Amino acid sequence: AQSVTQLGSHVSVSEGALVLLRCNYSSSVPPYLFWYVQYPNQGLQLLLKYTSAATLVKGINGFEAEFKKSETSFHLTKPSAHMSDAAEYFCAVSGPSGSARQLTFGSGTQLTVLP
Amino acid sequence: GAGVSQSPRYKVAKRGQDVALRCDPISGHVSLFWYQQALGQGPEFLTYFQNEAQLDKSGLPSDRFFAERPEGSVSTLKIQRTQQEDSAVYLCASSLMTGSQETQYFGPGTRLLVL
Repeated sequence: AQSVTQLGSHVSVSEGALVLLRCNYSSSVPPYLFWYVQYPNQGLQLLLKYTSAATLVKGINGFEAEFKKSETSFHLTKPSAHMSDAAEYFCAVSGPSGSARQLTFGSGTQLTVLP
Repeated sequence: GAGVSQSPRYKVAKRGQDVALRCDPISGHVSLFWYQQALGQGPEFLTYFQNEAQLDKSGLPSDRFFAERPEGSVSTLKIQRTQQEDSAVYLCASSLMTGSQETQYFGPGTRLLVL
């Protein structure tokens, strides 16, 4: 069975500082990986996804993530945090092709951006 | 274009009541998913439709939960004889195609509180 672990349920950074949110997956074969963001009382919005093309994936709002098979990781980064980045972030896994279509989510990381 | 919509946005039910939650997916999207998100947790898969066919209902927690999508568009999640542990946000997502690498677009969710 696939699973996702997000290290750190709460992360605080200063405005302008590097954002690093950690995600490790467990899967017998390379899966598809996603990062979603959730603002209060809203649904989830896709930031970026890895589908076995380039290992460095660029997403919206300046976020990017790197797929590292050797480390089974898919950490999310942003060079400079903005106040508007404060939200909850979820890493998720699905696939591989021909198998489970549903997303399996991590427990989330709440990002706080300090002025 | 219009995104995924869900109604009602909030529902308060007395224990033992039946509830029906509606999801309008993005027009033309083949796949539809239901997830349950407990407070402070990541979403958990409930069930999946491809057009009108319910292909996976392995995540439904009990036989009190029932989902349908009779015409391959709008879907309804019904919970019979609600219990307090059913209190959660119910998220609906749709995707254009059926592959596990497809992006799922989420609605804002229905927040259910069972008293």
